Amino acid sequence: GENVEQHPSTLSVQEGDSAVIKCTYSDSASNYFPWYKQELGKGPQLIIDIRSNVGEKKDQRIAVTLNKTAKHFSLHITETQPEDSAVYFCAASISGYSTLTFGKGTMLLVSP
Amino acid sequence: GAGVSQSPSNKVTEKGKDVELRCDPISGHTALYWYRQRLGQGLEFLIYFQGNSAPDKSGLPSDRFSAERTGESVSTLTIQRTQQEDSAVYLCASSYEVATQYFGPGTRLLVL
Repeated sequence: GENVEQHPSTLSVQEGDSAVIKCTYSDSASNYFPWYKQELGKGPQLIIDIRSNVGEKKDQRIAVTLNKTAKHFSLHITETQPEDSAVYFCAASISGYSTLTFGKGTMLLVSP
Repeated sequence: GAGVSQSPSNKVTEKGKDVELRCDPISGHTALYWYRQRLGQGLEFLIYFQGNSAPDKSGLPSDRFSAERTGESVSTLTIQRTQQEDSAVYLCASSYEVATQYFGPGTRLLVL
């Protein structure tokens, strides 16, 4: 089955800096890669996703890149703000066929 | 429209008692998932329902755990003879077919 590795487990940045979280996956058939943000005391919320037919997707300060050859994908947050502080989870699946396999999460702390 | 809802939001019980946790998925979503999240940890898959297919129970940690779903509607996760190690947040998610999952706020279970 699919295996997703996520790094780093914790990340501390200063407000205004960029943050990058990286994930690798094992199943070359995986074609759907969502990212979730989980704030303290809440359920995970989808923030962005990418499918294997594109290499990059952006939504304001958030972008995700995908390298199918290397089987890794990354979340990029620019101009970080304290409200970006949360745990971020990456996931992978074969869309329409398999359920999501999640990484273990990255705790992002943005200091003012 | 309304998101995934879960009840109760918090549950405190005594060791050995049974508990029932409820999940109301997004209307029209055919798939429903249960996860367990221990404090500071990632998402542990428990069980998955998809339409009329037999549920995938591969993540249930013991026979004290069971879940039911009525059609494409409400699901109940039951934990019998609760143990202290069952203390965690139980998250429910739903999706249309096997695709992007949308999470509820979770039920925080504390077993004394």
